[in-house]
Amino acid sequence: EAGVTQFPSHSVIEKGQTVTLRCDPISGHDNLYWYRRVMGKEIKFLLHFVKESKQDESGMPNNRFLAERTGGTYSTLKVQPAELEDSGVYFCASSPRQGAYNEQFFGPGTRLTVL
Amino acid sequence: AQKVTQAQTEISVVEKEDVTLDCVYETRDTTYYLFWYKQPPSGELVFLIRRNSFDEQNEISGRYSWNFQKSTSSFNFTITASQVVDSAVYFCALRGSGGYNKLIFGAGTRLAVHP
Repeated sequence: EAGVTQFPSHSVIEKGQTVTLRCDPISGHDNLYWYRRVMGKEIKFLLHFVKESKQDESGMPNNRFLAERTGGTYSTLKVQPAELEDSGVYFCASSPRQGAYNEQFFGPGTRLTVL
Repeated sequence: AQKVTQAQTEISVVEKEDVTLDCVYETRDTTYYLFWYKQPPSGELVFLIRRNSFDEQNEISGRYSWNFQKSTSSFNFTITASQVVDSAVYFCALRGSGGYNKLIFGAGTRLAVHP
């Protein structure tokens, strides 16, 4: 079974440009999460989809970030316009069911560098 | 508020040494879950263990063991007879009973095992 995949693995852009990150969860997983790790700090939650609906977007830093999950399959996270402080590693995770017990399966992350 | 603290930023050991990674958490929830993830150089987060707040039994899995103590709000991870392949960043995480399942991570501990 394929794991969570993320594209691209690395992205280098200039301040003010737009970048779109993609996440493909494990097939059949309704729950999809975005997290990011900035400058070697803790990994922080951004948002959670259940199918195509945003269940919790309390971690989204500001309105420059837009996440979508059309059709409840893959998800995209767009940063527009990107700022220097957006640099970091963006992780996507998925799980088959809700509930605090359930494990989240993580992808390899996308390393975003904003110059 | 929920918080996870991993006070050790980096640890360096020589192969075959035992090493303990500390994790201290804060939560007001009576039901919660604790996790450890490993991030090898390839970048993905690999699930290691999940423990719920009602189960304080220590767990051993091969060279890995975990010590959960509610009295000190700690969930420490010990690697016995460390190997070079154990070199990675290790994250401790907390999930409360509310909050739609988001994980609260510590800042991670980078473990370097030298031959």
